[in-house]
Amino acid sequence: GAGVSQSPRYKVAKRGQDVALRCDPISGHVSLFWYQQALGQGPEFLTYFQNEAQLDKSGLPSDRFFAERPEGSVSTLKIQRTQQEDSAVYLCASSSRLGQGIIQPQHFGDGTRLSIL
Amino acid sequence: DQQVKQNSPSLSVQEGRISILNCDYTNSMFDYFLWYKKYPAEGPTFLISISSIKDKNEDGRFTVFLNKSAKHLSLHIVPSQPGDSAVYFCAASSAYSGAGSYQLTFGKGTKLSVIP
Repeated sequence: GAGVSQSPRYKVAKRGQDVALRCDPISGHVSLFWYQQALGQGPEFLTYFQNEAQLDKSGLPSDRFFAERPEGSVSTLKIQRTQQEDSAVYLCASSSRLGQGIIQPQHFGDGTRLSIL
Repeated sequence: DQQVKQNSPSLSVQEGRISILNCDYTNSMFDYFLWYKKYPAEGPTFLISISSIKDKNEDGRFTVFLNKSAKHLSLHIVPSQPGDSAVYFCAASSAYSGAGSYQLTFGKGTKLSVIP
């Protein structure tokens, strides 16, 4: 497709379960980002990949959160032993190239709404 | 500490008039700024951006102004249309210099309502 695709759109899980969220970036985009958006807030940065390399994971809230992009395309955000405070919309964004003086905006998917019961 | 602030949670404007959305930032390392528009149950859609070497960027009905000394930017929409009704997010990064992080820091958003 032409845009960033995320699946599932909605995920309901019981507290303590593991979940996996998928992101298909725009074809050819080397940069991929994950954000978490709580209700009434702006998105907050979680982690950043350039191709398959995870260059920044400073926003991951705990070691229960893990992200990977093994082949430099599709990415998966995994949350282990989910807790109620993990309930949020998880957004994925991709960009064609980022570098000094070379900026392309990040394009977002529609997100996965995660609800932990 | 919020580094990007949108102090107006909501704004109502008559169709055809100008909409002005404001954003303030505190981090002097920010050098690239973006505005996104978001409809319910959809992801943010990129509208317009500006780097710190400029003070104005225009794209159709949308113009972004940057005042670096005041650490303030604004988005002007002229003329406003009912389809512009959405939540608008201001975002900033230090990506332009290449020395900082590429992550975006967002404000909390301003809900714009354009009244027909």
